[in-house]
Amino acid sequence: DAGITQSPRHKVTETGTPVTLRCHQTENHRYMYWYRQDPGHGLRLIHYSYGVKDTDKGEVSDGYSVSRSKTEDFLLTLESATSSQTSVYFCAIRETGRGNEQFFGPGTRLTVL
Amino acid sequence: GENVEQHPSTLSVQEGDSAVIKCTYSDSASNYFPWYKQELGKRPQLIIDIRSNVGEKKDQRIAVTLNKTAKHFSLHITETQPEDSAVYFCAASQGSGNTGKLIFGQGTTLQVKP
Repeated sequence: DAGITQSPRHKVTETGTPVTLRCHQTENHRYMYWYRQDPGHGLRLIHYSYGVKDTDKGEVSDGYSVSRSKTEDFLLTLESATSSQTSVYFCAIRETGRGNEQFFGPGTRLTVL
Repeated sequence: GENVEQHPSTLSVQEGDSAVIKCTYSDSASNYFPWYKQELGKRPQLIIDIRSNVGEKKDQRIAVTLNKTAKHFSLHITETQPEDSAVYFCAASQGSGNTGKLIFGQGTTLQVKP
């Protein structure tokens, strides 16, 4: 499983509250990604990181921010959660030295009421 | 923007038959094309991938073909088994792939009937 964990695994929150999801990896991979998965849309990239303090936007970044203060942790924050952000969130890593292969964490199911 | 279209959205086959899932992509600079399998409630798992300098790749019962000119690639599963039932996603690298960014298709739900 490429040493990837996500926390929490499930969360229910209310509209307007801030939410932070954590992705943790143990194998010192440089690249990390946050995706959301919704029925009919596959997986869509929210933000990604190519090193400590180096991040960039993906295709659905509005309403989300990220931070990476150390190699092993990549945080996704919803500053003010909305019902449209109800989704399953997956973190992924790109294994260094193996080309472009990405491996996913177990996912976080977020429900915004 | 860049786009990956995947067909069909659902596919039902009898055990032992073959299954084919097709994807088209729009970014001519894409050079990496992975396929993921996702079982219900689980994470997507990489099952096979192909790079643009190769036309076909096989791994036991699964194979992927790539037609760069037509910008489409396909997943072929032979001798399907009930445990092949899952959602399958194709993806294409955004640009030449330096960032590792992937654009995913919408997914195909494969049902293999015993």
